[in-house]
Amino acid sequence: AQKITQTQPGMFVQEKEAVTLDCTYDTSDPSYGLFWYKQPSSGEMIFLIYQGSYDQQNATEGRYSLNFQKARKSANLVISASQLGDSAMYFCAMRKYRDSSYKLIFGSGTRLLVRP
Amino acid sequence: SAVISQKPSRDICQRGTSLTIQCQVDSQVTMMFWYRQQPGQSLTLIATANQGSEATYESGFVIDKFPISRPNLTFSTLTVSNMSPEDSSIYLCSAKKGLAGGSTDTQYFGPGTRLTVL
Repeated sequence: AQKITQTQPGMFVQEKEAVTLDCTYDTSDPSYGLFWYKQPSSGEMIFLIYQGSYDQQNATEGRYSLNFQKARKSANLVISASQLGDSAMYFCAMRKYRDSSYKLIFGSGTRLLVRP
Repeated sequence: SAVISQKPSRDICQRGTSLTIQCQVDSQVTMMFWYRQQPGQSLTLIATANQGSEATYESGFVIDKFPISRPNLTFSTLTVSNMSPEDSSIYLCSAKKGLAGGSTDTQYFGPGTRLTVL
């Protein structure tokens, strides 16, 4: 069964510094997508970045980048130049493309706190 | 992307009652989903809302407890029936536009409905 593991329940980072949030996944399927979402205290889920299993390059979206290491089955989120507004829960998720349900499997999340 | 709204944003309900949550998307989407997030937990898919037919439920979720409707391509409702305190959660609606993989696979979420059952 597919599984997403986020081993860091909580992280601190100083404002303006970079931080890496870890995500490892387990699947035997060759075709899948990996997603990162941000959930502020308000509860909404904000899509941040996507990486396809066949993408040759690491995905980037503004201050967010994804360090994709396919052989190690890891998809770590890197946030550069942290801002106070980055304080939130961050969830890694995966979807197998052979799964016709289009279901996203989520990790347990990492709570990031940015210190001024 | 898709802009998704949900109503109500939060509610406090008595056990044994039912609550219907509405989800509206700003444009036609291929698929709509309902997730539950219990306190301090991650998200779990309840069901896929199918337009014009019965929803597809995940293991552990049943239609009698969580009836879902999707009368058109932009609107869906989730009812939490005969509520108990264990149903206290955030309920989130999501939608995706494409059926193919790749970046079109992205699911966008509504702001969530924070439900407390006393």
